Amino acid sequence: DVKVTQSSRYLVKRTGEKVFLECVQDMDHENMFWYRQDPGLGLRLIYFSYDVKMKEKGDIPEGYSVSREKKERFSLILESASTNQTSMYLCASSLGGQGDEKLFFGSGTQLSVL
Amino acid sequence: AQSVTQLDSQVPVFEEAPVELRCNYSSSVSVYLFWYVQYPNQGLQLLLKYLSGSTLVKGINGFEAEFNKSQTSFHLRKPSVHISDTAEYFCAVSDGGGSTLGRLYFGRGTQLTVWP
Repeated sequence: DVKVTQSSRYLVKRTGEKVFLECVQDMDHENMFWYRQDPGLGLRLIYFSYDVKMKEKGDIPEGYSVSREKKERFSLILESASTNQTSMYLCASSLGGQGDEKLFFGSGTQLSVL
Repeated sequence: AQSVTQLDSQVPVFEEAPVELRCNYSSSVSVYLFWYVQYPNQGLQLLLKYLSGSTLVKGINGFEAEFNKSQTSFHLRKPSVHISDTAEYFCAVSDGGGSTLGRLYFGRGTQLTVWP
């Protein structure tokens, strides 16, 4: 079965720390995405990537960066974590195509910044 | 950019009652439409999608949705819900023109709670 794995289910960090969220997919998918999910706000796209070493800003990229050195791995980086980045982070991947392919989601990482 | 409006943030219903979760999107030449479901402590999974053809789409777990182009709506329905349908439901739209490389625009979600 297809799988998107996020390295941590829960993470607690201090303000100002550099934080890495890792995501790995085993489906040879072209596209990978990072969303954050907040109550009442739904899912908001942070960054996405359609190829190795390629990245595109989503709707809320400020305070985040990403890295995609290998096709299967897409990392989200918080350069200096702040309390307003406390959230659920969801990674997803899709085969590619014209927007008609479904997304496969990981189980999420609940990040708390204290 | 597309926008998606889910009109109800919370929908409580009794078991075996019918339910409709409403979704409207901003108009475009062509769109792909999706409903995703998120069970507690899990990621999202696809419930159903509309790409083209018949406007009535059937998905998993007895859900169906109807695409209405004139009203730019894609409402989700189930004739008889179970307690296990308690979850958050997200409507999403993709620009079918292919320029956005598969990104989806999500609504804010509707929490469906089924009571015994």
